[in-house]
Amino acid sequence: QSALTQPASVSGSPGQSITISCTGTGTDVVSHNHVSWYQQQPGKAPKLMIYEVTERPSGISNRFSGSKSGNTASLTISGLQPEDEADYYCCSYSTAGTTYFVFGTATKVTVL
Amino acid sequence: EVQLVESGGGLFQPGGSLRLSCAASGFNFGEYWMSWVRQAPGRGLEWVANINPDESEKYYADSVKGRFTVSRDNAKNSGYLQVNSLRDEDTAVYYCARDFGSYCNDYWGHGILVTVSS
Repeated sequence: QSALTQPASVSGSPGQSITISCTGTGTDVVSHNHVSWYQQQPGKAPKLMIYEVTERPSGISNRFSGSKSGNTASLTISGLQPEDEADYYCCSYSTAGTTYFVFGTATKVTVL
Repeated sequence: EVQLVESGGGLFQPGGSLRLSCAASGFNFGEYWMSWVRQAPGRGLEWVANINPDESEKYYADSVKGRFTVSRDNAKNSGYLQVNSLRDEDTAVYYCARDFGSYCNDYWGHGILVTVSS
């Protein structure tokens, strides 16, 4: 099972909005609603930001939102803030062989 | 508060074996699937394996199948990852994480570093 495809980097100025894409391969279920997004700060464990494409766990800012079109899911960060600078990963359930979950290739978000 | 704490990492020789442990607290461990995810230095996240509550279902990434074995002891609120025939490319931070249904993982441990080198 190949990793889900994300852009290597995305940047924006404070206050702007940015969008990160996550494209599936067909044996994952990005085309369904089994997509989550994670934020990982340097040296820290990943943190769940979005699940089921659009849902936010308790305590996550509404500046983070998710969407999906076909086999591509997206994470949008609105009102970009310096603390949003981090690596972001998508993750999806997979139906390929014995693989259960598959992560995206990581996107480095830089706040200019 | 949900907590996951990994242990068992360190420096290991190629060809050797290790067992990582994950101690869980703050939730009913015996009701949840658990996963192991690793991250090689400077690289992205790689899902490695998971296990269902009664150990009747176990899944592995193709890259580790045959060398990694996931297990658990619900009485001890603990999960385990046995790694055999260690390779240089197994060098990574290993995280245990609680599965969130089919939505990957909701809670993660702090991670434990495994270094494979002669």
